[in-house]
Amino acid sequence: KNQVEQSPQSLIILEGKNCTLQCNYTVSPFSNLRWYKQDTGRGPVSLTIMTFSENTKSNGRYTATLDADTKQSSLHITASQLSDSASYICVVSGFGNEKLTFGTGTRLTIIP
Amino acid sequence: KAGVTQTPRYLIKTRGQQVTLSCSPISGHRSVSWYQQTPGQGLQFLFEYFSETQRNKGNFPGRFSGRQFSNSRSEMNVSTLELGDSALYLCASSPRTEGLGTDTQYFGPGTRLTVL
Repeated sequence: KNQVEQSPQSLIILEGKNCTLQCNYTVSPFSNLRWYKQDTGRGPVSLTIMTFSENTKSNGRYTATLDADTKQSSLHITASQLSDSASYICVVSGFGNEKLTFGTGTRLTIIP
Repeated sequence: KAGVTQTPRYLIKTRGQQVTLSCSPISGHRSVSWYQQTPGQGLQFLFEYFSETQRNKGNFPGRFSGRQFSNSRSEMNVSTLELGDSALYLCASSPRTEGLGTDTQYFGPGTRLTVL
């Protein structure tokens, strides 16, 4: 069964600090992995997308890494800001089936 | 370019009723996908429509159905509502130039459905 697990479930950090969110998946064969940011009361917004051959992708202060061998990904947020408070969702697509498997997300809270 | 719009934003229904939700994709996008989001299960894929045809379907009962019109607007219907159907229903559109798993999806703000 295809699964995506994220950790931690929730995280609280001080403004200005860095943090790393984790995503482990069992989707096979693998096509791509995305990270989404979802603010409270809004739809998710795509941050990064990585295919099998990519092992890092950046979007401003967000940097995603992918290890397709161990089926792990991480999202690193640098110099956090209050606006980074949101849920971060990892989504994996399997090659050929076009179905997306979603993680349950990490709830990140940035405090001043 | 206007984003994905969903109506209504909030809805309260009682068990046994049916409900229809509407989604207008970004202009030029031909693919519309629907998702259910609950605190316990996270985001779950319901179905995808492309050029008025259902292309992909998730693991939901037949009470959940949808359709897409020639202008790419889509509706989702849930019949015989159950308490467990209370959730945020999200719609996402994409140009579908390659595939559902490859294109970037753009999400609407969602419809919050409460079943009493």
